[in-house]
Amino acid sequence: AQSVTQPDIHITVSEGASLELRCNYSYGATPYLFWYVQSPGQGLQLLLKYFSGDTLVQGIKGFEAEFKRSQSSFNLRKPSVHWSDAAEYFCAVGAYNSGNEKLTFGTGTRLTIIP
Amino acid sequence: DTEVTQTPKHLVMGMTNKKSLKCEQHMGHRAMYWYKQKAKKPPELMFVYSYEKLSINESVPSRFSPECPNSSLLNLHLHALQPEDSALYLCASSQGGGRGYTFGSGTRLTVV
Repeated sequence: AQSVTQPDIHITVSEGASLELRCNYSYGATPYLFWYVQSPGQGLQLLLKYFSGDTLVQGIKGFEAEFKRSQSSFNLRKPSVHWSDAAEYFCAVGAYNSGNEKLTFGTGTRLTIIP
Repeated sequence: DTEVTQTPKHLVMGMTNKKSLKCEQHMGHRAMYWYKQKAKKPPELMFVYSYEKLSINESVPSRFSPECPNSSLLNLHLHALQPEDSALYLCASSQGGGRGYTFGSGTRLTVV
């Protein structure tokens, strides 16, 4: 069965500083990997996804992520954060199970931005 | 239309009430999902519908009853809920093939 680990529960970053959120996955085959963002009381918005090809993936809002098979990682990065980036970030792995696609989430990382 | 629409946005219900949550998408996605999310926790899968048929039930109590009337609609019927069922209920749809899900903004449910 697939699983996702986000080791950082809470990260605080100054506005304008760079950001990296960590994600490690466990899955027996080539995974489908996703990063979602959730503002308080809202649904989840897809930031970016990887399932093949270039291991550096560009997403919305200036985010990017790099798939590293050797480290089973899919870390999210942004060169310069904005106050509006404060939110909860979920890494997720998608896998097929008996013909059904199933998305499994990590526990999330809460991002706080300070002026 | 690239959205998943959920109604209502907020719902307060008593433990003896019957209510329904609704979800609609017009993206032609073949799979639709219900997730439950407690505060400060990740979403947890409840049900998966694939081609309008229930394909996954993650051992959800029978007081939650899903229904997929057609390829665009997904309902979640609620009956005799408990206070611990209070949560954000998220609907999602997907094309499959690892292309990710589109989530609705959720229904905030409070059981009193």
